[in-house]
Amino acid sequence: GAGVSQSPSNKVTEKGKDVELRCDPISGHTALYWYRQSLGQGLEFLIYFQGNSAPDKSGLPSDRFSAERTGGSVSTLTIQRTQQEDSAVYLCASSPGAVGTGELFFGEGSRLTVL
Amino acid sequence: GESVGLHLPTLSVQEGDNSIINCAYSNSASDYFIWYKQESGKGPQFIIDIRSNMDKRQGQRVTVLLNKTVKHLSLQIAATQPGDSAVYFCAENMGPGRRALTFGSGTRLQVQP
Repeated sequence: GAGVSQSPSNKVTEKGKDVELRCDPISGHTALYWYRQSLGQGLEFLIYFQGNSAPDKSGLPSDRFSAERTGGSVSTLTIQRTQQEDSAVYLCASSPGAVGTGELFFGEGSRLTVL
Repeated sequence: GESVGLHLPTLSVQEGDNSIINCAYSNSASDYFIWYKQESGKGPQFIIDIRSNMDKRQGQRVTVLLNKTVKHLSLQIAATQPGDSAVYFCAENMGPGRRALTFGSGTRLQVQP
């Protein structure tokens, strides 16, 4: 596609349930990022994938959060046993290379609401 | 869509005026900075970037100024238009070799017609 695509755009779930959020980056982009944006806050870095290198997971807030990127393209962010504080917009971005080599292109985000 | 950042600092300007949005960045080792614009319900969009070996960079209607002495970044928008109303974020790379951008908390720009 022409841009970064995320699904679902909105997800409402009950506390304790698992959720999966999907990101389709721009074709050919080797770098993929997940950020979280809570209401009234800036963007909080979660995880970064670059090519075949080991992902940078330093931003994941707890072991309930995990992400994978299959075939260097599509990525899935999984949140297990969701809590109300997980409610936020989850943004995915891709870039042609590493930070500083080009801008990050963001998707529209997946809004997660945990009841 | 639902607004992002209901409690952000807000800058209100009249249409046609120039706007200046300021950002204090955190890491003196950061050598790459970007300004993003985020409209309600959308993902952030790139506006302009600057490297630390520069102190000014101009784009179309926008100028970014970098003052490394006081770790300050500003975005100037000339002849502000209603379509410029959005939340603006600065981001830094936190040093060479760091692999993710760190974003500031944002400033809401409201353009009054």
